[in-house]
Amino acid sequence: GDSVTQMEGPVTLSEEAFLTINCTYTATGYPSLFWYVQYPGEGLQLLLKATKADDKGSNKGFEATYRKETTSFHLEKGSVQVSDSAVYFCAQNRDDKIIFGKGTRLHILP
Amino acid sequence: GAVVSQHPSRVICKSGTSVKIECRSLDFQATTMFWYRQFPKQSLMLMATSNEGSKATYEQGVEKDKFLINHASLTLSTLTVTSAHPEDSSFYICSASPGASYEQYFGPGTRLTVT
Repeated sequence: GDSVTQMEGPVTLSEEAFLTINCTYTATGYPSLFWYVQYPGEGLQLLLKATKADDKGSNKGFEATYRKETTSFHLEKGSVQVSDSAVYFCAQNRDDKIIFGKGTRLHILP
Repeated sequence: GAVVSQHPSRVICKSGTSVKIECRSLDFQATTMFWYRQFPKQSLMLMATSNEGSKATYEQGVEKDKFLINHASLTLSTLTVTSAHPEDSSFYICSASPGASYEQYFGPGTRLTVT
């Protein structure tokens, strides 16, 4: 069935380091793809999305490109900040529902 | 804007009792609300989808008589865990959508512990 797989955490980086969180998906059709972020004590927030192949979603310095050929949607940021510490969820939609990956916890050290 | 609240944030109850969790959209009307369950180091698992004024649609494997969902208004949905058991202990998250399914705004979650 449709699923989302993302790299396990926690991921610990120093401030200003380059970030990549891998995400791959399996789907019977052509879903929209999302990254959600959950800051400590808060609900999930939509970080960025891409609705078709080769689309690039971007927000707050984060980027992810919808790669149909590799069924991937890796999250990247060129220079992370302490305030980026959170849990990141990759997701896809199927019909009217959202299917989430397990989440990757990111720790950024000052 | 687009704030969703959940109450309570944490609840501890005894085995065999029932507990109600509220989900409110504070600044928009939610045509659809979703209830998720999250186990440690696991993804969010959709339990059910509810539309205001109609019966909830439950995902396969979710007992509708155990997890009662009411969506009585466009700003409030409730999840009642009936006859709770320790295995029901989990993190329950709701989301609310004003329209398209990917426009889901999430609550902060409720940690349920059944002793």
